[in-house]
Amino acid sequence: QVQLQESGPGLVKPSETLFLTCAVSGDSIRNDTYYWGWIRQSPGKGLQWIGSVYYRGNTYYNPSLKSRVTILIDTSRTQFSLRLASVTAADTAVYFCARGVSVWGQGTLVTVSS
Amino acid sequence: DVVMTQTPLSLSVTPGQPASISCKSSQSLLHSSGTTYLYWYLQRPGQSPQLLIYEVSNRFSGVPDRFSGSGSGTDFTLRISRVEAEDVGIYYCMQTIQLPLTFGGGTKVEIK
Repeated sequence: QVQLQESGPGLVKPSETLFLTCAVSGDSIRNDTYYWGWIRQSPGKGLQWIGSVYYRGNTYYNPSLKSRVTILIDTSRTQFSLRLASVTAADTAVYFCARGVSVWGQGTLVTVSS
Repeated sequence: DVVMTQTPLSLSVTPGQPASISCKSSQSLLHSSGTTYLYWYLQRPGQSPQLLIYEVSNRFSGVPDRFSGSGSGTDFTLRISRVEAEDVGIYYCMQTIQLPLTFGGGTKVEIK
């Protein structure tokens, strides 16, 4: 059974970079059938897709975040990551990682505050 | 972006009674391949969204058959034939025909 687990700091200062990882178990991250992606949920904006990456390298980002986002696959650690630069309070949200449309992690709350 | 509009915002349902949620998209979700890329999720309190229905009407693994999806083009419906206590939460529709992927605003289902 596929399981995803997000990890990273729960508090990030404004203007700094948010970095989260998603550990994958029960499936190979080399599985190109699915994308590996990130979604976030904040009270103000509901669910927002951040971006997705395929093992073979194609990466897609939400245009509203594209200038600040990087999603990478780390095959050596069977995980993928999210970097979001220059964060503000508006980036405070629960961040979920996902395998395609069908499997989501439990989510991790990230608060942007000084 | 494809705008997904859900109605109603909330529902209060007596156990054993049916419930219905509408999702309308700002453009057709029908791909030239013939697949319609519309999905339904349930987010129970304190949990992540879980997939209920994929491609309009296909129940995901383990989803009870009291859940059904229908619709075409831009107009979709999720139906629960007999609501149970475990069905409380927020239901979301999502489209994947066009990037960015977008979600409806959610419909909160409560038990009377």
